[in-house]
Amino acid sequence: DAGVTQSPTHLIKTRGQQVTLRCSPKSGHDTVSWYQQALGQGPQFIFQYYEEEERQRGNFPDRFSGHQFPNYSSELNVNALWLGDSALYLCASSFGPETQYFGPGTRLLVL
Amino acid sequence: DAKTTQPTSMDCAEGRAANLPCNHSTISGNEYVYWYRQIHSQGPQYIIHGLKNNETNEMASLIITEDRKSSTLILPHATLRDTAVYYCIVRASYNNNDMRFGAGTRLTVKP
Repeated sequence: DAGVTQSPTHLIKTRGQQVTLRCSPKSGHDTVSWYQQALGQGPQFIFQYYEEEERQRGNFPDRFSGHQFPNYSSELNVNALWLGDSALYLCASSFGPETQYFGPGTRLLVL
Repeated sequence: DAKTTQPTSMDCAEGRAANLPCNHSTISGNEYVYWYRQIHSQGPQYIIHGLKNNETNEMASLIITEDRKSSTLILPHATLRDTAVYYCIVRASYNNNDMRFGAGTRLTVKP
């Protein structure tokens, strides 16, 4: 049984560009949450998707947007990248409100 | 802000029990205590969770005080591979989109 998968594993972008990160949830899970983890800090909640809608959002600007597909996979989009967006982006899946399981993350570097 | 307080770092000798404390004095009656760990640059790994009673699984034991204001994660026989950052999180039982990670405890298991 595959766990949560994310792609790509690493990504390098320049300021002002846009990026799309992808997440496939664990089999049987219908809820996807995204987190940003800056170096040396704990993960920070970005938003959560359930039934293809954004259910809850953390303290992140509108430059961060997402989508959930009918097969429960999800994308995180970040527009107008700036240096401070460099981080490890984590996806976590769950069955509704139950325990979240995390993927390996995508490391984004903005130059 | 995280609802929990943890020591910044701890050391443990290989083969000994590692006892990681967590204070959550403002916990509500419908909030779980969750523990995750993160090994260098990987996604957080779920360890265990509990509401009131002590819990044990193949990875660890969770001891929650009677007043629920603090808890201890116990790794019974720590190995070098248990070196990681351990996060204690309080979250509601009815949703999981309020998980706030603090800085966690950096556990170093020494030979």
